[in-house]
Amino acid sequence: GAVVSQHPSWVICKSGTSVKIECRSLDFQATTMFWYRQFPKQSLMLMATSNEGSKATYEQGVEKDKFLINHASLTLSTLTVTSAHPEDSSFYICSAGSSEPYEQYFGPGTRLTVT
Amino acid sequence: AQKITQTQPGMFVQEKEAVTLDCTYDTSDPSYGLFWYKQPSSGEMIFLIYQGSYDQQNATEGRYSLNFQKARKSANLVISASQLGDSAMYFCAMREVRDDKIIFGKGTRLHILP
Repeated sequence: GAVVSQHPSWVICKSGTSVKIECRSLDFQATTMFWYRQFPKQSLMLMATSNEGSKATYEQGVEKDKFLINHASLTLSTLTVTSAHPEDSSFYICSAGSSEPYEQYFGPGTRLTVT
Repeated sequence: AQKITQTQPGMFVQEKEAVTLDCTYDTSDPSYGLFWYKQPSSGEMIFLIYQGSYDQQNATEGRYSLNFQKARKSANLVISASQLGDSAMYFCAMREVRDDKIIFGKGTRLHILP
C-alpha cells in the first residue's frame, strides 16, 4: 500500500513558539490531504482539508490563523501550529487519498507537547 | 448530530472467540464509503476494511468482515478467531463522496483476554 510519512514523529516546544509538521505522500500524488487532531483516549477530529495550490478548508471551530496549512506540492502538506499553548498538546495525524480506487492512507502521527 | 455512532466504549473478549464491533451511520448522500481502522497503542492508523455504499456483497479481508446492512445504516465489523494482537482501539469511519472527507466515530477499545 501507499505510504504517508510525517515529520517529526514527536516534538516538545515551549509555550509561545511555533511548530511545523510535515506530511508527505511517498509514492503517489495527493491533490488532497487531511489533518486530524486526536486528544488522549478520544477519536480523530478533522481539522482541515489541505488542497494543493489553493487555500485549506477548515472545519468549524478550528482557528485558521493558529493552524496554518500549506500544500505546496502534490506530495507535501505542512501544518504550522503558531504561538503554541499547552492546550494544543495533542496527536496530529495527516492522511492522503487516491481517487480510483478510493483509498485513504494515514501518516504515523506527530505527538506535540507544549510546555 | 453524530454521523458515526459506536455504542461500545470498551469490550473484553476471550482469545479465539469471534467479536462484533457495532457501528451505525447517518447520511443523506447516496454515495458513500465506510471504513474500519485499528489503532494500537503506537498511534498509527491501520486500515482494516472498506465497504462502498453500492457494493452488493459484504466486504471481507482475512479475519475481518463487514456486516453491511444498508437499510439499517449499520456497518458492524466482525473479527473471527480473535488474537491477543487484536487488542487495540477500533474506529468506524465514513466518507461522503460529495465532500470527500472522512469522519470518525468515537471508537471501541477492544481487549482480548488470554
